[in-house]
Amino acid sequence: DTEVTQTPKHLVMGMTNKKSLKCEQHMGHRAMYWYKQKAKKPPELMFVYSYEKLSINESVPSRFSPECPNSSLLNLHLHALQPEDSALYLCASSPREVSRAFFGQGTRLTVV
Amino acid sequence: GESVGLHLPTLSVQEGDNSIINCAYSNSASDYFIWYKQESGKGPQFIIDIRSNMDKRQGQRVTVLLNKTVKHLSLQIAATQPGDSAVYFCAETSSNDYKLSFGAGTTVTVRA
Repeated sequence: DTEVTQTPKHLVMGMTNKKSLKCEQHMGHRAMYWYKQKAKKPPELMFVYSYEKLSINESVPSRFSPECPNSSLLNLHLHALQPEDSALYLCASSPREVSRAFFGQGTRLTVV
Repeated sequence: GESVGLHLPTLSVQEGDNSIINCAYSNSASDYFIWYKQESGKGPQFIIDIRSNMDKRQGQRVTVLLNKTVKHLSLQIAATQPGDSAVYFCAETSSNDYKLSFGAGTTVTVRA
């Protein structure tokens, strides 16, 4: 299994809603990532978990809250988002540092 | 001196021709580089990687060239096919670092 699976594929939420994005990998990778990608732009790193501990937070607003329940799962909890947070949210994993990252298909998020 | 290819945001290629996609990376400490392909509505897909102790690496129909002197990376695609139409991103990272930074991306369109 060489896949990173993200759910849901699409999400529309209001600015007062609370929702969660989910990511799963069964490749035994020890690092997992959240990226945000706006249209026609490169992915921008948000968070990195290494061995289930948060190792990088790229100054992301607190309305985005990551969680790593175990080595295979990564969640992104969303609360009180703004319309400008609408984007493609990508999850990725890698076996270790300085190695290629495997990406999921992303969750297309629309905040209304 | 050696000429450095410019990064172009778009590239139109005739089917069957070779494509060259250029990328200028920013961090002189970066020692691992990856090319990703992203098709519409999908996550980035790994194409090929190269470490800084190499200047060339070949895969199936693809070749990556690395010029550390001028911090330049290129991806060559041989005999470009319609399925090669996508956005191509270079990405860089350094030893003991989980942060993968992406370049601006080049949209490749293959003409029949």
